[in-house]
Amino acid sequence: DTEVTQTPKHLVMGMTNKKSLKCEQHMGHRAMYWYKQKAKKPPELMFVYSYEKLSINESVPSRFSPECPNSSLLNLHLHALQPEDSALYLCASSQQGLAGDEQFFGPGTRLTVL
Amino acid sequence: AQSVAQPEDQVNVAEGNPLTVKCTYSVSGNPYLFWYVQYPNRGLQFLLKYITGDNLVKGSYGFEAEFNKSQTSFHLKKPSALVSDSALYFCAVNNYGQNFVFGPGTRLSVLP
Repeated sequence: DTEVTQTPKHLVMGMTNKKSLKCEQHMGHRAMYWYKQKAKKPPELMFVYSYEKLSINESVPSRFSPECPNSSLLNLHLHALQPEDSALYLCASSQQGLAGDEQFFGPGTRLTVL
Repeated sequence: AQSVAQPEDQVNVAEGNPLTVKCTYSVSGNPYLFWYVQYPNRGLQFLLKYITGDNLVKGSYGFEAEFNKSQTSFHLKKPSALVSDSALYFCAVNNYGQNFVFGPGTRLSVLP
């Protein structure tokens, strides 16, 4: 299995809602990532988990809360988002999180905040 | 700090012609360089990477890239373009202790 899966594919939420994005991989990878991508722009790194521990938080607002329940799963909990948070949210994984490891990306969740 | 530049927002090429998508980088130390492709409303797909060794790297779908240390470049190439190659292409650099930094992207249009 060489896939990273993400659910849901699309999500529309109000500014007072609480929702979660889910990501799963069964490649035995030990590093997992959340990225935010605006239209026609490159992905921007949000969080990195390495061996199930949060290793990088790129100054992301606290309304985004990551969670890594086990080595295969990564969640992103959303609360009190703003319309400017509307974007494609991408999950990725890599073998060990080393500099030379390529990252495998999921298809993304298209988030719209009303 | 590390950075990546893709000097062309858009590249147009006729089907069957060779294509080149340019990338230059800035990093202290030895770079790890990557190319990814993104089709509309999809995630990024890994094409190839340079770690060390041979300057010409071969990847998926007939793509290759040439690493040039003196020019700090890592241009993506394909000998004969297909209409299905039309997509958004990202160059990325990584270095020990850092994380991926992506270039701004180049939109490739292959015209039939």
